[in-house]
Amino acid sequence: DIVMTQGVLPNPVPSGESASITCRSSKSLVYKDGKTYLNWFLQRPGQSPQLLTYWMSTRASGVSDRFSGSGSGTYFTLKISRVRAEDAGVYYCQQVREYPLTFGSGTKLEIK
Amino acid sequence: QVQLKESGPGLVQPSQTLSLTCTVSGFSLTSYNVHWVRQPPGKGLEWMGRMRYNGDTSYNSALKSRLSISRDTSKNQVFLKMNSLQTDDTGTYYCTRWYNSGYYFDYWGQGVMVTVSS
Repeated sequence: DIVMTQGVLPNPVPSGESASITCRSSKSLVYKDGKTYLNWFLQRPGQSPQLLTYWMSTRASGVSDRFSGSGSGTYFTLKISRVRAEDAGVYYCQQVREYPLTFGSGTKLEIK
Repeated sequence: QVQLKESGPGLVQPSQTLSLTCTVSGFSLTSYNVHWVRQPPGKGLEWMGRMRYNGDTSYNSALKSRLSISRDTSKNQVFLKMNSLQTDDTGTYYCTRWYNSGYYFDYWGQGVMVTVSS
């Protein structure tokens, strides 16, 4: 199984500042079509996960352009610019390169 | 609009079988795959398995011996059954729709909390 490892944020992050969340995979998530099969989700307290980006850097419909995904085949970053109170929650990376689909352990973002 | 809703017992005794139902609306089970994902309290997400649009299933190998996913397309329902439950099966269980053109979960149910306890 592909293991996903996420970093920790130095919480709390002041409102208006930027935050970068890291994620590493144990295997390259680049498929032969050239796409990188890495998704990011935000789970707010008491809610279901919400898709932020897919194919590593494509924002989901309705997601603010303050969220941007980047990376290589095995190392990924989700950058949140000008953080706001509504960005608080736990962020998960997920690989969809192969089954079983696996998630990172989550990175908590608190806003000051 | 697209909706998924999980239902089932909130409390299951150890060693018993969990039965959950995911009722969907706004799309056809013969066009989309539906997956099950669970989350222990305060912990991360675990992919459990999926029901494909054509009726095929696949499972997380860690759960495969205990898990079964089926469906009733006439009722727009997907079912999860997992036997030999233990306390570490306690958590929130979600069903979610897979968007195959983008390779992501686009809609999630609200989740159902299941507690395994005597």
